[in-house]
Amino acid sequence: QKEVEQNSGPLSVPEGAIASLNCTYSDRGSQSFFWYRQYSGKSPELIMSIYSNGDKEDGRFTAQLNKASQYVSLLIRDSQPSDSATYLCAVNVRNTGGFKTIFGAGTRLFVKA
Amino acid sequence: GAVVSQHPSRVICKSGTSVKIECRSLDFQATTMFWYRQFPKKSLMLMATSNEGSKATYEQGVEKDKFLINHASLTLSTLTVTSAHPEDSSFYICSARARDSYTQYFGPGTRLTVL
Repeated sequence: QKEVEQNSGPLSVPEGAIASLNCTYSDRGSQSFFWYRQYSGKSPELIMSIYSNGDKEDGRFTAQLNKASQYVSLLIRDSQPSDSATYLCAVNVRNTGGFKTIFGAGTRLFVKA
Repeated sequence: GAVVSQHPSRVICKSGTSVKIECRSLDFQATTMFWYRQFPKKSLMLMATSNEGSKATYEQGVEKDKFLINHASLTLSTLTVTSAHPEDSSFYICSARARDSYTQYFGPGTRLTVL
């Protein structure tokens, strides 16, 4: 089992719809979770971080965390064509000396105009 | 805040030459920096982790003598690709994390083409 798993997609949604991106992780002790967006040919940029169970909202983005189910998701409301990108889930997992960040392979999102 | 720069953004070199890529944290002190490479349409691959003032820790399969990493200050890390070959052509991305922070911030990346 991979440490961080995401559906590779592509996930296609119409403009204005809600895009739902999901991620599961294996380390039950993980405490920090992140979503990054990566446009084609560009480097990842941080969208949100979440540390506590529940929802965290920032503009059109909502991150949801359920540690019991080892599941973190990202909802994008009112999806726009400019949201088309690969979304990377990242989880800090424990290792000797502290922690390391594990990235999922990413989910490609297409928002159709 | 949390801005990371990389230089150069793009480099083309001849096979056998060495290329140095700089990664700088502009508005915070980066106690830990990371170097990734990414092939087209593929996932990020962590190459190495460096802590300021310490030797870098390389991931399995990454040749430390080929990919030299120096993290000499809290704002600068360099990656030198020695004796570059066409198969080293890739997108190299650094990221940085501050002390007591859980978050990595990425630089814009360097696209290396080896002819």
